[in-house]
Amino acid sequence: EPEVTQTPSHQVTQMGQEVILRCVPISNHLYFYWYRQILGQKVEFLVSFYNNEISEKSEIFDDQFSVERPDGSNFTLKIRSTKLEDSAMYFCASSEALRYSPLHFGNGTRLTVT
Amino acid sequence: AQSVAQPEDQVNVAEGNPLTVKCTYSVSGNPYLFWYVQYPNRGLQFLLKYITGDNLVKGSYGFEAEFNKSQTSFHLKKPSALVSDSALYFCAVRDDAGNNRKLIWGLGTSLAVNP
Repeated sequence: EPEVTQTPSHQVTQMGQEVILRCVPISNHLYFYWYRQILGQKVEFLVSFYNNEISEKSEIFDDQFSVERPDGSNFTLKIRSTKLEDSAMYFCASSEALRYSPLHFGNGTRLTVT
Repeated sequence: AQSVAQPEDQVNVAEGNPLTVKCTYSVSGNPYLFWYVQYPNRGLQFLLKYITGDNLVKGSYGFEAEFNKSQTSFHLKKPSALVSDSALYFCAVRDDAGNNRKLIWGLGTSLAVNP
Protein backbone atom coordinates (compact mmCIF):
# COMPACT_ATOMS: atom_id res chain seq x y z
CA GLU A 1 0.00 0.00 0.00
CA PRO A 2 1.42 3.40 -0.91
CA GLU A 3 2.49 5.56 1.98
CA VAL A 4 3.68 9.03 2.84
CA THR A 5 7.38 9.13 3.65
CA GLN A 6 9.15 11.76 5.69
CA THR A 7 12.82 12.51 6.15
CA PRO A 8 14.69 12.84 8.38
CA SER A 9 13.04 10.98 11.21
CA HIS A 10 14.85 13.14 13.73
CA GLN A 11 16.43 16.57 13.27
CA VAL A 12 18.39 18.43 15.91
CA THR A 13 19.19 22.06 15.26
CA GLN A 14 20.34 25.12 17.13
CA MET A 15 18.06 28.04 17.77
CA GLY A 16 18.11 30.51 14.90
CA GLN A 17 19.09 27.94 12.29
CA GLU A 18 17.02 27.08 9.24
CA VAL A 19 15.60 23.60 8.84
CA ILE A 20 13.89 21.89 5.94
CA LEU A 21 11.62 18.95 6.57
CA ARG A 22 10.94 16.73 3.61
CA CYS A 23 7.96 14.66 2.60
CA VAL A 24 7.02 12.51 -0.34
CA PRO A 25 3.21 12.33 -0.51
CA ILE A 26 1.30 9.50 -2.12
CA SER A 27 1.69 9.96 -5.85
CA ASN A 28 -1.93 10.38 -6.98
CA HIS A 29 -2.91 12.63 -4.10
CA LEU A 30 -3.76 16.25 -4.75
CA TYR A 31 -3.85 17.85 -1.31
CA PHE A 32 -0.90 18.13 1.00
CA TYR A 33 -0.69 19.16 4.63
CA TRP A 34 1.70 19.85 7.45
CA TYR A 35 0.68 19.30 11.04
CA ARG A 36 2.63 19.36 14.25
CA GLN A 37 2.21 17.67 17.58
CA ILE A 38 3.92 18.69 20.79
CA LEU A 39 4.65 16.00 23.40
CA GLY A 40 2.17 13.55 21.87
CA GLN A 41 -0.70 15.86 22.59
CA LYS A 42 -3.08 17.68 20.31
CA VAL A 43 -2.66 17.73 16.57
CA GLU A 44 -2.09 21.28 15.31
CA PHE A 45 -2.82 22.20 11.72
CA LEU A 46 -0.14 24.29 10.05
CA VAL A 47 -0.89 24.52 6.35
CA SER A 48 -2.63 22.89 3.40
CA PHE A 49 -1.40 23.02 -0.17
CA TYR A 50 -3.21 22.42 -3.42
CA ASN A 51 -2.45 23.14 -7.04
CA ASN A 52 0.97 24.51 -6.18
CA GLU A 53 -0.22 27.07 -3.70
CA ILE A 54 -1.22 27.38 -0.10
CA SER A 55 -4.96 26.85 0.27
CA GLU A 56 -5.20 27.44 3.99
CA LYS A 57 -2.88 28.17 6.88
CA SER A 58 -3.18 28.53 10.62
CA GLU A 59 -2.03 31.35 12.87
CA ILE A 60 0.97 29.19 13.79
CA PHE A 61 2.17 29.34 10.18
CA ASP A 62 3.78 32.77 10.33
CA ASP A 63 6.48 34.32 8.17
CA GLN A 64 9.06 31.95 9.60
CA PHE A 65 7.39 29.05 7.83
CA SER A 66 7.17 28.26 4.15
CA VAL A 67 6.20 25.28 2.02
CA GLU A 68 7.25 24.23 -1.40
CA ARG A 69 6.68 21.47 -3.90
CA PRO A 70 9.90 21.85 -5.82
CA ASP A 71 9.80 18.92 -8.21
CA GLY A 72 6.34 17.38 -8.39
CA SER A 73 7.07 14.68 -5.84
CA ASN A 74 8.61 16.28 -2.76
CA PHE A 75 6.74 18.56 -0.41
CA THR A 76 8.89 20.53 2.00
CA LEU A 77 8.38 22.61 5.11
CA LYS A 78 11.01 25.23 5.85
CA ILE A 79 11.42 26.96 9.17
CA ARG A 80 13.60 29.98 8.55
CA SER A 81 14.90 30.74 12.02
CA THR A 82 14.00 28.09 14.54
CA LYS A 83 12.88 28.85 18.06
CA LEU A 84 12.88 26.59 21.08
CA GLU A 85 9.10 26.37 20.92
CA ASP A 86 9.30 24.91 17.42
CA SER A 87 10.43 21.64 18.98
CA ALA A 88 7.71 19.14 18.07
CA MET A 89 6.80 16.22 15.86
CA TYR A 90 5.99 17.45 12.38
CA PHE A 91 3.68 15.32 10.28
CA CYS A 92 3.12 15.51 6.59
CA ALA A 93 -0.16 14.22 5.17
CA SER A 94 -1.81 13.92 1.80
CA SER A 95 -5.29 13.13 0.49
CA GLU A 96 -6.98 12.40 -2.80
CA ALA A 97 -9.83 14.87 -2.60
CA LEU A 98 -10.74 17.47 -0.08
CA ARG A 99 -13.89 16.76 1.80
CA TYR A 100 -14.48 13.03 1.66
CA SER A 101 -11.04 11.55 1.61
CA PRO A 102 -9.11 10.66 4.73
CA LEU A 103 -5.65 12.03 5.28
CA HIS A 104 -2.70 9.69 5.01
CA PHE A 105 0.08 10.62 7.40
CA GLY A 106 3.78 10.01 7.38
CA ASN A 107 5.58 8.83 10.50
CA GLY A 108 6.80 12.30 11.28
CA THR A 109 10.03 14.19 11.85
CA ARG A 110 10.95 14.89 15.43
CA LEU A 111 12.46 18.37 15.49
CA THR A 112 14.54 19.30 18.51
CA VAL A 113 15.69 22.90 18.79
CA THR A 114 18.46 23.48 21.34
CA ALA B 1 -18.26 27.62 14.93
CA GLN B 2 -17.01 24.13 14.21
CA SER B 3 -15.64 22.10 17.09
CA VAL B 4 -14.91 18.58 18.22
CA ALA B 5 -14.90 17.35 21.79
CA GLN B 6 -13.41 14.18 23.15
CA PRO B 7 -14.58 14.40 26.74
CA GLU B 8 -12.27 11.74 28.12
CA ASP B 9 -8.49 12.22 28.21
CA GLN B 10 -8.02 8.57 29.09
CA VAL B 11 -10.09 5.41 28.84
CA ASN B 12 -9.11 2.21 30.61
CA VAL B 13 -10.65 -1.13 29.71
CA ALA B 14 -9.84 -4.75 30.38
CA GLU B 15 -8.86 -6.97 27.50
CA GLY B 16 -11.88 -8.73 26.06
CA ASN B 17 -14.32 -6.10 27.26
CA PRO B 18 -16.12 -3.74 24.92
CA LEU B 19 -14.64 -0.29 24.52
CA THR B 20 -16.09 3.10 23.68
CA VAL B 21 -14.20 6.28 22.91
CA LYS B 22 -16.49 9.28 22.82
CA CYS B 23 -16.65 12.12 20.34
CA THR B 24 -19.15 14.94 19.94
CA TYR B 25 -19.07 17.65 17.33
CA SER B 26 -20.57 20.97 16.32
CA VAL B 27 -20.88 22.11 12.69
CA SER B 28 -23.17 24.43 10.81
CA GLY B 29 -23.83 22.09 7.89
CA ASN B 30 -23.55 18.32 7.61
CA PRO B 31 -20.52 16.67 9.17
CA TYR B 32 -17.88 14.52 7.60
CA LEU B 33 -16.48 12.56 10.53
CA PHE B 34 -13.24 10.65 10.89
CA TRP B 35 -11.42 8.55 13.47
CA TYR B 36 -7.66 8.16 13.52
CA VAL B 37 -5.37 6.12 15.73
CA GLN B 38 -1.80 6.95 16.70
CA TYR B 39 0.56 4.31 18.01
CA PRO B 40 3.70 5.43 19.88
CA ASN B 41 6.26 7.17 17.68
CA ARG B 42 4.08 6.80 14.61
CA GLY B 43 1.91 9.01 12.47
CA LEU B 44 -1.84 9.00 12.60
CA GLN B 45 -3.60 6.16 10.83
CA PHE B 46 -7.08 6.45 9.38
CA LEU B 47 -9.58 4.07 11.02
CA LEU B 48 -12.98 4.93 9.58
CA LYS B 49 -15.21 7.72 8.34
CA TYR B 50 -18.83 8.76 8.09
CA ILE B 51 -19.89 10.77 5.08
CA THR B 52 -23.51 9.79 4.49
CA GLY B 53 -25.77 6.74 4.59
CA ASP B 54 -25.80 4.02 7.22
CA ASN B 55 -25.20 5.45 10.69
CA LEU B 56 -23.02 2.52 11.71
CA VAL B 57 -19.70 2.47 9.93
CA LYS B 58 -17.10 -0.23 10.15
CA GLY B 59 -13.39 0.34 9.89
CA SER B 60 -9.99 -1.15 10.37
CA TYR B 61 -8.94 -3.53 13.16
CA GLY B 62 -12.54 -4.40 14.10
CA PHE B 63 -13.49 -0.86 15.07
CA GLU B 64 -16.84 0.69 14.29
CA ALA B 65 -18.50 4.00 15.00
CA GLU B 66 -22.08 5.15 15.21
CA PHE B 67 -23.19 8.49 13.87
CA ASN B 68 -25.97 9.99 15.95
CA LYS B 69 -27.28 13.19 14.44
CA SER B 70 -29.62 14.13 17.27
CA GLN B 71 -26.85 13.79 19.84
CA THR B 72 -24.18 15.14 17.47
CA SER B 73 -21.96 12.24 18.40
CA PHE B 74 -19.69 9.80 16.63
CA HIS B 75 -18.45 7.39 19.28
CA LEU B 76 -15.84 4.80 18.42
CA LYS B 77 -16.53 1.25 19.56
CA LYS B 78 -15.10 -2.21 19.53
CA PRO B 79 -16.87 -5.29 20.93
CA SER B 80 -13.78 -6.91 22.41
CA ALA B 81 -10.67 -4.88 23.19
CA LEU B 82 -7.13 -6.12 22.62
CA VAL B 83 -4.00 -5.00 24.45
CA SER B 84 -2.64 -3.97 21.06
CA ASP B 85 -5.48 -1.44 20.76
CA SER B 86 -3.74 0.69 23.37
CA ALA B 87 -3.00 3.95 21.58
CA LEU B 88 -4.07 7.56 21.17
CA TYR B 89 -7.36 8.07 19.31
CA PHE B 90 -8.38 11.25 17.53
CA CYS B 91 -11.78 12.26 16.23
CA ALA B 92 -11.98 14.85 13.45
CA VAL B 93 -14.77 16.63 11.60
CA ARG B 94 -15.12 18.65 8.44
CA ASP B 95 -18.17 20.82 7.80
CA ASP B 96 -19.82 20.55 4.39
CA ALA B 97 -21.31 24.05 4.64
CA GLY B 98 -19.94 26.90 2.59
CA ASN B 99 -16.25 27.00 1.84
CA ASN B 100 -15.14 25.24 5.00
CA ARG B 101 -12.13 23.14 4.23
CA LYS B 102 -10.25 22.72 7.46
CA LEU B 103 -10.38 19.45 9.34
CA ILE B 104 -11.14 20.15 13.01
CA TRP B 105 -9.45 17.79 15.46
CA GLY B 106 -10.33 16.62 18.93
CA LEU B 107 -7.64 16.67 21.60
CA GLY B 108 -7.30 12.91 21.60
CA THR B 109 -8.17 10.11 24.00
CA SER B 110 -5.55 7.76 25.33
CA LEU B 111 -6.87 4.20 25.39
CA ALA B 112 -5.22 1.72 27.73
CA VAL B 113 -6.28 -1.91 27.43
CA ASN B 114 -5.16 -3.92 30.42
CA PRO B 115 -4.35 -7.65 30.15
